[in-house]
Amino acid sequence: NAGVTQTPKFQVLKTGQSMTLQCAQDMNHEYMSWYRQDPGMGLRLIHYSVGAGITDQGEVPNGYNVSRSTTEDFPLRLLSAAPSQTSVYFCASSYTPTGRVGYTFGSGTRLTVV
Amino acid sequence: ELKVEQNPLFLSMQEGKNYTIYCNYSTTSDRLYWYRQDPGKSLESLFVLLSNGAVKQEGRLMASLDTKARLSTLHITAAVHDLSATYFCAGYNNDMRFGAGTRLTVKP
Repeated sequence: NAGVTQTPKFQVLKTGQSMTLQCAQDMNHEYMSWYRQDPGMGLRLIHYSVGAGITDQGEVPNGYNVSRSTTEDFPLRLLSAAPSQTSVYFCASSYTPTGRVGYTFGSGTRLTVV
Repeated sequence: ELKVEQNPLFLSMQEGKNYTIYCNYSTTSDRLYWYRQDPGKSLESLFVLLSNGAVKQEGRLMASLDTKARLSTLHITAAVHDLSATYFCAGYNNDMRFGAGTRLTVKP
């Protein structure tokens, strides 16, 4: 099994550009979420989804959009990139939001906005 | 809103020594999680603690939960170099919130 697959692994954007970070899982997990990791701040929740067609905002949603058209995919869109969005982004999934065995995380996307 | 605080944020240990990482949380949490992250890698789930008094152990790591004190601990016994990593605790209250992480370095 592939688990949670994130693409790309690295990306450099210019300020104002838009892009989509891809996340796909093959475990039939209903719950998926996006976190960003910044030094000294742990992981902060951006958006999450409890199933296809259902999304909600997390702790730091501004500047990001999501949609969930299928169970497998949960892309994160940056509308107009800003240097403050330079971070490592992780996608996570689980059967349920409480994650009985914890979340399964992807390998991350390291984004730099210049 | 659930807030999770860990201490210490940095920990340098000698091999063979014992130490404890503390995780405090601000409000009710349905359960408490511990994750490990190696440098440049993703997060791996270590433990999920479901109720007051829960204790889980794997190898040299033991996690416990005191819901009345809103405190979880991760105890390291006889540390070895392979345990060097960043350890995160997280709680759940409507969504999963993480602490800042404890960067553990085990030196020979």
